[in-house]
Amino acid sequence: EPEVTQTPSHQVTQMGQEVILRCVPISNHLYFYWYRQILGQKVEFLVSFYNNEISEKSEIFDDQFSVERPDGSNFTLKIRSTKLEDSAMYFCASSEAAGGRGEQFFGPGTRLTVL
Amino acid sequence: RKEVEQDPGPFNVPEGATVAFNCTYSNSASQSFFWYRQDCRKEPKLLMSVYSSGNEDGRFTAQLNRASQYISLLIRDSKLSDSATYLCVVNQRGYSTLTFGKGTMLLVSP
Repeated sequence: EPEVTQTPSHQVTQMGQEVILRCVPISNHLYFYWYRQILGQKVEFLVSFYNNEISEKSEIFDDQFSVERPDGSNFTLKIRSTKLEDSAMYFCASSEAAGGRGEQFFGPGTRLTVL
Repeated sequence: RKEVEQDPGPFNVPEGATVAFNCTYSNSASQSFFWYRQDCRKEPKLLMSVYSSGNEDGRFTAQLNRASQYISLLIRDSKLSDSATYLCVVNQRGYSTLTFGKGTMLLVSP
């Protein structure tokens, strides 16, 4: 069964450093997403991406964040200067269609720890 | 008012029991509804979409009441492997954003 993959599974970084989280969405999916979940809290939407551009983003997704699809398979989330409060689980998801017609499938996540 | 509200639980039930979870959502423009399950420190996994007419998948039955902005999930004949947090998720027509509830924890004991 096709699945979303993410690397690394755990990333530890110092405050102020840049991190890049990587995702390989399901191959025939066209819509890609990043979510985050701070420990003990709900899953929160960050950004959606389609046709090589951002289609929606939340208030969390400020100028410190960026996304890219550098090639035909990878989808990345970059945090330019990490803060302590960026520590969370980051989930990538993908779907065949947009909106309600597109059931979203999640990767296993990257646990980001900012020290 | 929270966008998607769920009773956090935990619901402690014995194997074989029937258990029901409820969820309310605040945005009347929400068009699509889902139940996901999440095991501890794992990713959300799609359990089922929720359709207006209600739908069933094996031991799981989901219902939607648009007038009351209320979604439910019924699990029959609970198994130990059903122990997880159940997430109520909604999105609005035309938007790809999924809005998650905080989840309801289910613990099934032998």
